[in-house]
Amino acid sequence: SQQGEEDPQALSIQEGENATMNCSYKTSINNLQWYRQNSGRGLVHLILIRSNEREKHSGRLRVTLDTSKKSSSLLITASRAADTASYFCATDLSGANSKLTFGKGITLSVRP
Amino acid sequence: KAGVTQTPRYLIKTRGQQVTLSCSPISGHRSVSWYQQTPGQGLQFLFEYFSETQRNKGNFPGRFSGRQFSNSRSEMNVSTLELGDSALYLCASSLNRVRELFFGEGSRLTVL
Repeated sequence: SQQGEEDPQALSIQEGENATMNCSYKTSINNLQWYRQNSGRGLVHLILIRSNEREKHSGRLRVTLDTSKKSSSLLITASRAADTASYFCATDLSGANSKLTFGKGITLSVRP
Repeated sequence: KAGVTQTPRYLIKTRGQQVTLSCSPISGHRSVSWYQQTPGQGLQFLFEYFSETQRNKGNFPGRFSGRQFSNSRSEMNVSTLELGDSALYLCASSLNRVRELFFGEGSRLTVL
């Protein structure tokens, strides 16, 4: 099963609204990352939050991490039509042979 | 700085054939990871190479193999293709084990 599970699976909002996406995971992590993918393209790294951090900002993005609940949220403020994409959380597990494991993604549609 | 380059971008093969995909990482990046993306399974980790050594491997059959050259370029090979191998194959490079991944645009493989 996937290490990271995003919620909701799909989200449709109006331009200018905020979009909140959630990610839950199962085991201890070194860090958690969020990526964006436009249809059929490669993924683009958005933000990385380490296990000892609780909140991080980057432009219109705000990420929180709650290691006690094993969950993270990505907030996109003042959304734009160009934010329409799939968003993935990825967990970097603790351990020597860790690998970055992705969830199945959230499809965000921002209506103009 | 040039991004991650994957070739070919699109290819069509028939069952039983084999295919080789190529990935040139960002200059200076020594880690290359490969992922398979399908609508049903999402992003599945194939393997990771670092300094010509396979550092980690996902749960794929032995038909899937890879290698990395001294210039960090990487190839992956799939032998005896099956219909289920149809997918977008994504390559990503990173500077070190911190694992902020930079993805290529992918190679879309269709098996008929």
